[in-house]
Amino acid sequence: DSGVTQTPKHLITATGQRVTLRCSPRSGDLSVYWYQQSLDQGLQFLIQYYNGEERAKGNILERFSAQQFPDLHSELNLSSLELGDSALYFCASSVLGAGGQETQYFGPGTRLLVL
Amino acid sequence: GENVEQHPSTLSVQEGDSAVIKCTYSDSASNYFPWYKQELGKRPQLIIDIRSNVGEKKDQRIAVTLNKTAKHFSLHITETQPEDSAVYFCAASRGGGADGLTFGKGTHLIIQP
Repeated sequence: DSGVTQTPKHLITATGQRVTLRCSPRSGDLSVYWYQQSLDQGLQFLIQYYNGEERAKGNILERFSAQQFPDLHSELNLSSLELGDSALYFCASSVLGAGGQETQYFGPGTRLLVL
Repeated sequence: GENVEQHPSTLSVQEGDSAVIKCTYSDSASNYFPWYKQELGKRPQLIIDIRSNVGEKKDQRIAVTLNKTAKHFSLHITETQPEDSAVYFCAASRGGGADGLTFGKGTHLIIQP
């Protein structure tokens, strides 16, 4: 168990709908990262938040957005869902160690199926 | 942006033999290189990582080597065991807490009894 929690574990929805995925980082971690894992695209970085602020952006679609709240949990919002959005969505959290080095620990993931 | 190539995509070895997985990266500013192991349907788990200021790191049966000049890093697993069967991902980032990980496509390691 990494200490990172994600809900829900599974989500089934229809095209055109909107869903929200939730992540709680490990105690003390200020950074949250979101990744998407699919068979064709592999593991892709979407976006990072640090202490409530967006810090880095990866291959995140405009239909997707995220935020990090004062208690440091994060939500990833996916809208106008398409069949191709079906994937495993992971969040990871990290703490900066000495010298600015960091290690990312992954949560169990949310499996999204768009029908 | 960063691009990470990983080879081979599938690797089958006899139990007790060694396994080597290789990755190359494109961004010379990358300085953090973790390796993750992922079992089917589960989360990626960090097994070892290396920073750009060292060339090699070992943890029991697992070792990672880094050649910054060639932009190449490798994972070495010795005395493989059935529980080593999984998909292994290499990744790279600029580190410093302001960059996501760029992953390779993964290597499916199969340990034959």
